[in-house]
Amino acid sequence: KAGVTQTPRYLIKTRGQQVTLSCSPISGHRSVSWYQQTPGQGLQFLFEYFSETQRNKGNFPGRFSGRQFSNSRSEMNVSTLELGDSALYLCASSPSPGDTYEQYFGPGTRLTVT
Amino acid sequence: AQSVTQLDSQVPVFEEAPVELRCNYSSSVSVYLFWYVQYPNQGLQLLLKYLSGSTLVKGINGFEAEFNKSQTSFHLRKPSVHISDTAEYFCAVNSGYSTLTFGKGTMLLVSP
Repeated sequence: KAGVTQTPRYLIKTRGQQVTLSCSPISGHRSVSWYQQTPGQGLQFLFEYFSETQRNKGNFPGRFSGRQFSNSRSEMNVSTLELGDSALYLCASSPSPGDTYEQYFGPGTRLTVT
Repeated sequence: AQSVTQLDSQVPVFEEAPVELRCNYSSSVSVYLFWYVQYPNQGLQLLLKYLSGSTLVKGINGFEAEFNKSQTSFHLRKPSVHISDTAEYFCAVNSGYSTLTFGKGTMLLVSP
């Protein structure tokens, strides 16, 4: 099976712009989660989607949003970019709604905001 | 709310020496615990997990961890490390649905 794929891998944007990141989960996985990784804050949970519904949300401003499509692919959007949004954004998928399952991570999208 | 504390930000060790990376958690409910590894410019890879049962959990690449409920710890160990084990290691606890709460990470630096 192919792993979790994320596109693009690298992105450079200017402050004030918006950006959309894409994630394709492992085939058959229905849950997709997004995390932000920065040197200062570490790995922080953004949101999780299952069957096109947001099930859980982290403590991020409304500029961060996401969605999931019927084929389980997910996108996250960040509007009005700030310098502090520079980070590695990781997507992870899980095979079922079970709370105990580990997550399978993609390689991430490195976003640089200038 | 769950939280995870990794007590060491960096652990230097010589090749073929044993290593222990420490992790403590706090949770008011049953916990499911994980260790992930991140190599440079890559995503996270699952090393091992504790869901229930035996408190000694064996994972990939020769790593193992022991769940200690009374001390709320889940330390990661390897009896003999290799240069290729140099990476950042993250301890995590499941915090609802498919959400993970991570520690800040421990950088394992293996030198010859």
